[in-house]
Amino acid sequence: EVQLVLSGGGLVQPGGSLRLSCVASGFTFNTSWMHWVRQAPGKGLEWVAHIKQDGSDRKYVDSVRGRFTISRDNAKNSLYLQMNSLRADDTAVYYCVKGSPLGSHWGQGALVTVSS
Amino acid sequence: QSVLTQSPSASGTPGQRVTISCSGSSSNIGTRHVNWYQHLPATTPKLLVYDNNQRPSGVPDRFSGSKSGTSASLAISGLQSEDEADYYCAAWDDSLNGWVFGGGTKLSVL
Repeated sequence: EVQLVLSGGGLVQPGGSLRLSCVASGFTFNTSWMHWVRQAPGKGLEWVAHIKQDGSDRKYVDSVRGRFTISRDNAKNSLYLQMNSLRADDTAVYYCVKGSPLGSHWGQGALVTVSS
Repeated sequence: QSVLTQSPSASGTPGQRVTISCSGSSSNIGTRHVNWYQHLPATTPKLLVYDNNQRPSGVPDRFSGSKSGTSASLAISGLQSEDEADYYCAAWDDSLNGWVFGGGTKLSVL
């Protein structure tokens, strides 16, 4: 059974940093594209970033480029999202998502709240 | 404003067939495959259709996807009360160099 277990969400002040981690199991992690997708309160789904199997290709939505960094450690079956210079509009539930195709499996979601 | 345009709401009665549409452009739907997702309240989203019309294992054949030009559609036949959810389309966008989602359609089963 595919499982994606997230950790690292919480409350952070504007301008602060937070790191989300996602541990994968039940599939061959190093053969899958991986993504982060978020949903702000009362809003729809928004793709945030993706990373290729070997980490050689990373793309970001314009609103987070330069502030967020997606990475992976295939030896640990883990996906990460380092979020810096956080803003109020980054407040959302963040999902770790398996690709190929996008959204074949979703983690449980981690709430990130940016507020003073 | 989302890059992919969906009607905010749709409705139907049990047993009916409903269609949810998704409109894009030549940089996304026009040249790329479309995926559809179902998001039930208090759950994680679920992939319903990928590559325009392919269903993952376990998804009932009541759900079907199609694409024509720069638009795509999700059809749900034999509507059931448990189909009441938010539905999203998504596609890769060559101009934005990223994935884009529609704004979502809230389906009500009356």
